[in-house]
Order: sequence, then structure tokens, then C-alpha cells
Amino acid sequence: GENVEQHPSTLSVQEGDSAVIKCTYSDSASNYFPWYKQELGKRPQLIIDIRSNVGEKKDQRIAVTLNKTAKHFSLHITETQPEDSAVYFCAASIMNGQFYFGTGTSLTVIP
Amino acid sequence: EAGVVQSPRYKIIEKKQPVAFWCNPISGHNTLYWYLQNLGQGPELLIRYENEEAVDDSQLPKDRFSAERLKGVDSTLKIQPAELGDSAVYLCAKYGYTFGSGTRLTVV
Repeated sequence: GENVEQHPSTLSVQEGDSAVIKCTYSDSASNYFPWYKQELGKRPQLIIDIRSNVGEKKDQRIAVTLNKTAKHFSLHITETQPEDSAVYFCAASIMNGQFYFGTGTSLTVIP
Repeated sequence: EAGVVQSPRYKIIEKKQPVAFWCNPISGHNTLYWYLQNLGQGPELLIRYENEEAVDDSQLPKDRFSAERLKGVDSTLKIQPAELGDSAVYLCAKYGYTFGSGTRLTVV
């Protein structure tokens, strides 16, 4: 089955700096890669996703890049704000199939 | 996004007691997932439904866990009997976009 690895497990950045979280996957059949933000005690919320036919996608301060050859994808948050502090999960999936989650990155944005 | 409703939000039970969780994917969706999430970890799949059919239950501990989705809409996950190690958050999701708020189970 699919194996998703996520790094780093914790990340601290100064407010205004950028944050990058990286994930790798093992199954070349995976074609959908969502990212979730989970605040303490709350549900995971989809913040951005990318499909395998696209190399990059951007939504305001958040962007995701995908390298299918290397089987890795990354989340980029620019101009970080304290409210960006949360746990971020990547996932890999075959459309309409099972989702495999990374182990999470705890992001702290220091004011 | 109010797309998936779960109840209860919290449940505290003694070990060896039964417990049930309920999930309703508001506005419906063919695909429904039950996940278990331990503190500091990502969600782990327990079971996936396509309509009424459980298409992936390989990670469900069938000796004590059961699930049903009789009409292809809402679903129930049951544990009987509960063990201390079952303490976790149980999340329901429709497709991969929308999670419910989860049920935080504490077994004492």
C-alpha cells in the first residue's frame, strides 16, 4: 500500500517568514494530494489540494508543488501569521479511493 | 464547513462497556470514511463505504469493532467491548474533503 512520509514534525518560524512542509509518497498510482490544517481540538480542514496533472497550485498565501517523478509534494505558506499555527497533514490518494495521511507537522508562528 | 455531523462530541466509558458513534454526511455522498486519530498523529482509516458497501475494512479490528451504513447515508461505528487503548478521536469524513468534528472517546 501507499506510504506517506512528512517532514518536519515540528516547525517554528517568525511571523512574516515562510514555512515549507514536505511529503513523499511511494505509490505512483496516487493522483490526488490534499493538505489539511488541524487546530487543537478541531477537525482537519482541507486548505489546498493538487492533482497529478498539475505541478503547482496557489491560493493566496498558500501554495502546493508536486514532483511526480520524485514522488514528493510540498506545502508553502508565505507571510506567516500567528493564526497559521496548527498541525498540518498531507495525504495521498487515488481519486475516490483510500487516503493515506502523513504524520503531521506542528507549525508555530512566533509573533 | 457544516458538511458532516457526528455525535456525540465526547464520550467517557468504563472499559468493557459498549459504545456507538453516529455520523451523517449532510447533503449526502457515496463515499464515507471512519478514521481513528490518536493525539499527535494523522487519521488512520478504519473503514470506507461506497454507498452501503464496506469496500475497505482491512484496518477495522473486527473482533470488537463493527460498522454499518444501512441506507447509504448515515453510519454507525460500534465498539464492544471497549478497551483502554481505544481512547482516541473517531472521525467521520465524506470523500476526502470534509471531516466531522469527531467523537473524543475516553475509556477509563
